[in-house]
Amino acid sequence: DTTVKQNPRYKLARVGKPVNLICSQTMNHDTMYWYQKKPNQAPKLLLFYYDKILNREADTFEKFQSSRPNNSFCSLYIGSAGLEYSAMYLCASSRRGAETLYFGSGTRLTVL
Amino acid sequence: QQKVQQSPESLIVPEGGMASLNCTSSDRNVDYFWWYRQHSGKSPKMLMSIFSNGEKEEGRFTVHLNKASLHTSLHIRDSQPSDSALYLCAASTSGSWQLIFGSGTQLTVMP
Repeated sequence: DTTVKQNPRYKLARVGKPVNLICSQTMNHDTMYWYQKKPNQAPKLLLFYYDKILNREADTFEKFQSSRPNNSFCSLYIGSAGLEYSAMYLCASSRRGAETLYFGSGTRLTVL
Repeated sequence: QQKVQQSPESLIVPEGGMASLNCTSSDRNVDYFWWYRQHSGKSPKMLMSIFSNGEKEEGRFTVHLNKASLHTSLHIRDSQPSDSALYLCAASTSGSWQLIFGSGTQLTVMP
């Protein structure tokens, strides 16, 4: 019954190929986030949109792109997937910064 | 270096027992702490938040915060098998959009 939806649930990609993950929310939240989670590791913030302003973390700046064509929709784009990109990608949204985050069920990306 | 440390990594308690989970931030600018719960195959959901020194209770769940030591703990009394999940602690600073998570405590409640 989550109102943050992610597609697809599972994604298989080849090394060197692009990957595009999709997230949507129906709560009219102004902030949307992408986290990367690997087993036994903390979810790592990759980037977030506040309204139309994209903020990317310094250490992942060149690895991930994103777009937010409207308030409800946000994508995560990997230009050239590497084996190290295999992980669960969690999208989240909040009404405003650092208030309660609502997460989607995630997309499990496997890069072969 | 991870800024939010959680312990233990895993915890097994009997049904009806007390579960105690710990979380500490190494960032002195942190103002807010959050606890999220993630059941297997599901998305993380916010369980409780605490911003002031002291204690906050919601049903069987109690959260403590010591701002001086940047330590928070989550206590679950009368634990139920349905409490079995990954518990994630997160911290943020005032005015920041960024929530920094710990790696979690995997709680198993044995019937």
